[in-house]
Amino acid sequence: QSVLTQSPSASETPGQRVTISCSGGNSNIGRNDVNWYQQLPGTAPKLLIYSNHHRPSGVPDRFSGSKSGTSASLAISGLQSEDEADYYCATWDDSLDGLIFGGGTKLTVL
Amino acid sequence: QLQLQESGPGLMKPSQTLSLTCAVSGGSIPSGAYSWSWIRQPPGKGLEWIGFAHNNGNTRYNPSLKSRVTMSVDWSKNQFSLKLSSVTAADTAVYYCSGGNDYGDSIWGQGTLVTVSS
Repeated sequence: QSVLTQSPSASETPGQRVTISCSGGNSNIGRNDVNWYQQLPGTAPKLLIYSNHHRPSGVPDRFSGSKSGTSASLAISGLQSEDEADYYCATWDDSLDGLIFGGGTKLTVL
Repeated sequence: QLQLQESGPGLMKPSQTLSLTCAVSGGSIPSGAYSWSWIRQPPGKGLEWIGFAHNNGNTRYNPSLKSRVTMSVDWSKNQFSLKLSSVTAADTAVYYCSGGNDYGDSIWGQGTLVTVSS
């Protein structure tokens, strides 16, 4: 059971917008920046969003991140079939003194 | 373009010490505020952070693994390493090495599967 809570699954049709949430607490999201990772089937994770809402070079602006209080969200607009993947949030936890990941959300593009 | 490549034993027996190496190639080793991490993923499960070694010499480990983990960096060989002692079946996972900073730079190896079985 992860300290960061993500819904196990999400689904939406192509072209639509989907939001994936990550719920934490005061010792983690409440105090530290959140990163989001995309893991396509059979591949290594890839950094999608860093420091809550910044996109690394090469990441399409269809992907956006936000943080409010002890929760963070990843939004994907204009869904494409290639967005079908597992998505993980991650942040530092001051109480655990370590980096923690959410349990991951499996996104299905219907 | 920097590339990372993990190498390791593949199959191990319980109680042995896992040794993994991550070879860095394709460019200069980033200087400054850059860290080198190990993350693992048990089959069909989520990601677990093992630890990181920062360019400033700071090393941090997952508290749940700290007693069994040692990480080191050897830039004369362009590589960094992980040792995990007293492995059990629960340590069976794909192990990834990764490098990155707080400004969006992030590179990952392809991962190497380590299976612990008697």
